[in-house]
Amino acid sequence: DAKTTQPPSMDCAEGRAANLPCNHSTISGNEYVYWYRQIHSQGPQYIIHGLKNNETNEMASLIITEDRKSSTLILPHATLRDTAVYYCIVSPGAGSYQLTFGKGTKLSVIP
Amino acid sequence: GAGVSQSPRYKVAKRGQDVALRCDPISGHVSLFWYQQALGQGPEFLTYFQNEAQLDKSGLPSDRFFAERPEGSVSTLKIQRTQQEDSAVYLCASSLKTWPARENIQYFGAGTRLSVL
Repeated sequence: DAKTTQPPSMDCAEGRAANLPCNHSTISGNEYVYWYRQIHSQGPQYIIHGLKNNETNEMASLIITEDRKSSTLILPHATLRDTAVYYCIVSPGAGSYQLTFGKGTKLSVIP
Repeated sequence: GAGVSQSPRYKVAKRGQDVALRCDPISGHVSLFWYQQALGQGPEFLTYFQNEAQLDKSGLPSDRFFAERPEGSVSTLKIQRTQQEDSAVYLCASSLKTWPARENIQYFGAGTRLSVL
């Protein structure tokens, strides 16, 4: 699976958009980008995933660059409950069931 | 509906004791996974079940670790003769998908925090 690089930590003011970057320069054509988050003392929670196109759901938006070497998770209006560790994961489209988590980005939403 | 349930939430064991950690997946989910999460690290894959069949146990760190899912629903992770390095959070996840699958969306429980003294 392709390796991902994320900043170890970020701050965001409550009510503002949180933009979390992820580099995955060795991603291959059949690999999807997934985002999960883990709130303190809870298990990871699926947020969103995409292959080539930008994606949006009720939780977040995922922007993938045209060359697919990087992506950004956008939380449009961050709340205190969005404080968590956010993991960017690259996973093959069909085959690997293992989710390979890195260390993620610790997002702190500041009042 | 109910999510993935794990019990106990916390377990303290003396070195050398055997422990058993339980996972109740979401009803109807065919696939079940166990992960281990050390302090400050992301979760790491341990093993994968499809129904009652254990299809992959490549992530189990030693032969002291054993997992089962005899009826294709509830799963138990057993650790024999616990060591201090086994201290971690053990996470269970389930999925409606079977592999190969186009999407890899897994639903996680809150985990069991194991402390070995």
